[in-house]
Amino acid sequence: EIVLTQSPATLSLSPGERATLSCRASQSVSSYLAWYQQRPGQAPRLLIYDASNRATGIPARFSGSGSGTDFTLTISSLEPEDFAVYYCQHRTNWPPMYTFGQGTKLQIK
Amino acid sequence: QVHLVESGGGVVQPGRSLRLSCAASGFIFSVYGMYWVRQAPGKGLEWVAVISYDGSEKFYADSVKGRFTISKDNSKNTVYLQMNSLRAEDTAVYYCARGGVGYCTNAVCPYFDFWGQGTLVTASS
Repeated sequence: EIVLTQSPATLSLSPGERATLSCRASQSVSSYLAWYQQRPGQAPRLLIYDASNRATGIPARFSGSGSGTDFTLTISSLEPEDFAVYYCQHRTNWPPMYTFGQGTKLQIK
Repeated sequence: QVHLVESGGGVVQPGRSLRLSCAASGFIFSVYGMYWVRQAPGKGLEWVAVISYDGSEKFYADSVKGRFTISKDNSKNTVYLQMNSLRAEDTAVYYCARGGVGYCTNAVCPYFDFWGQGTLVTASS
């Protein structure tokens, strides 16, 4: 079973700053990794898939990078609506099993 | 515009059953695989089940295997989750989601591109 470990657990930044969130896989997942944003009281929203592809309608300030076991979600300049919880996610090939990281809470400093 | 609306949640005693529904609109439902993902109060996300576009393939998380059943009615644009033998640890918000991006097999895709707003299931005596 692949385990995804996100760091830090909580990140405190100010609007306009750059945010860097990490996701580490217990074994290589190639580039098969996604990032989701979940605002309080809302459903998750897909941001990035296949490590670096932005989903439809996602602003360009969100970018993803990495491959193998180490991945990064970067928000270039934080907007007020970006303060939320972020999850990484992977699916094993077949049979499909989906795992999520434990989440990083991005909060206003 | 993709729209997913879950229903059927509520309070149920441990050991009892509940069926969730997710009504879909805004896309061709019959060609997409569908998913259930849950989130216990204050906790992270946990995948529950997936069904292929035609219902021929179904996969479950180990935590629900043998107790939950996912099904899909393409004539009604609805996906279901039959939950039997509910436990306290099944208490969560249950989201349905669509899989539509990434490399897919039988429309079983690696990622969830649209989500409903969720329905709360509470298993408690």
